[in-house]
Amino acid sequence: SQTIHQWPATLVQPVGSPLSLECTVEGTSNPNLYWYRQAAGRGLQLLFYSVGIGQISSEVPQNLSASRPQDRQFILSSKKLLLSDSGFYLCAWSEPGRSSPLHFGNGTRLTVT
Amino acid sequence: DQQVKQNSPSLSVQEGRISILNCDYTNSMFDYFLWYKKYPAEGPTFLISISSIKDKNEDGRFTVFLNKSAKHLSLHIVPSQPGDSAVYFCAAFGPFLGTYKYIFGTGTRLKVLA
Repeated sequence: SQTIHQWPATLVQPVGSPLSLECTVEGTSNPNLYWYRQAAGRGLQLLFYSVGIGQISSEVPQNLSASRPQDRQFILSSKKLLLSDSGFYLCAWSEPGRSSPLHFGNGTRLTVT
Repeated sequence: DQQVKQNSPSLSVQEGRISILNCDYTNSMFDYFLWYKKYPAEGPTFLISISSIKDKNEDGRFTVFLNKSAKHLSLHIVPSQPGDSAVYFCAAFGPFLGTYKYIFGTGTRLKVLA
């Protein structure tokens, strides 16, 4: 069966520090991969998605970036965190093609101080 | 402009009764709809989905209804249990701004009272 791992679960970082959140998927090949952020009262906001290695589409211009160095690995990064980057970050995957559910990891609570 | 809307931020229901969660969408090109359940500090869990070629899909206590003409879907939970207390998100999948995307609503917090 397929599983998704996301770490760390919580993170407290000072303003201006770098960020690296990692996500890996097991039990499937060539998944579509996604990074979402949940903000209070605003639902789930899509940040990045990837349909293959090295292929990243950005949805929201900001100081975050994403990379997919391997088929089942997705990384969310920042060179310098802002206070506004605080939030709950979720990695997700879906089968390639259409009409399949998104499956989420357990999320990372990021607090920028 | 919100493509997927959940107009009720919260809902309280007595244990054993029916919970009805509603969702509206604006894009008639969406062709696949999903419901997720989310507990605090956890990722959303997929509950049930429906294709636009159907108007109903049932899985145990959960039933999703789709009304394409009204661009409306609903999730029925019968009977409601205290463990169903969570935030529920609806999502729509389809073409949006040149690609296929999952668009989520803002969520409805369900509280099932024992």
